[in-house]
Amino acid sequence: DTGVSQDPRHKITKRGQNVTFRCDPISEHNRLYWYRQTLGQGPEFLTYFQNEAQLEKSRLLSDRFSAERPKGSFSTLEIQRTEQGDSAMYLCASSFVRGEQYFGPGTRLTVT
Amino acid sequence: QQQVKQSPQSLIVQKGGISIINCAYENTAFDYFPWYQQFPGKGPALLIAIRPDVSEKKEGRFTISFNKSAKQFSLHIMDSQPGDSATYFCADSSGNTPLVFGKGTRLSVIA
Repeated sequence: DTGVSQDPRHKITKRGQNVTFRCDPISEHNRLYWYRQTLGQGPEFLTYFQNEAQLEKSRLLSDRFSAERPKGSFSTLEIQRTEQGDSAMYLCASSFVRGEQYFGPGTRLTVT
Repeated sequence: QQQVKQSPQSLIVQKGGISIINCAYENTAFDYFPWYQQFPGKGPALLIAIRPDVSEKKEGRFTISFNKSAKQFSLHIMDSQPGDSATYFCADSSGNTPLVFGKGTRLSVIA
């Protein structure tokens, strides 16, 4: 399967801990997006990359969140000092520039 | 910030019937309008997308129709099946901005 993959699929962590998620996009795609989705809502944009450059960050992305895409391939999203309000599904998507976005299966984060 | 207004919030359709979901948009500089289908616990899956130079696109039982003057586009699901029961999202895109999603429509197809 050459779709978008995310790891881990589920993460349970205690408040105050740091967590890191990984996304592997479709290999030919040069854009990679991170979204967050809470129950009953549509995905909300967090940040995106074109190749290794981070082009835009949402105001939802507090300073506890950081994302990287060091070689323009996979990306990581780190959340430091997690809070209960961070509990959500974190989704990664990839695309060509101006192309349709394809989503991965998501990482479900639960902060206890 | 651009918005996408999706309706209805929920929809119950008999098996074999037609499901219709509507989206109204504000952005006039979009590249395409996609529809995503999402099952519980899964990521959104791209179902069908339309570009602004066409007024309708059909893929199997799924059709997008686009009304540029009304700034509205719709998803029609013909011969709806229980397996179509999911949440559907429309989204607005412009090449240099990320997707802005509607709030979703929960579709239930009952036998």
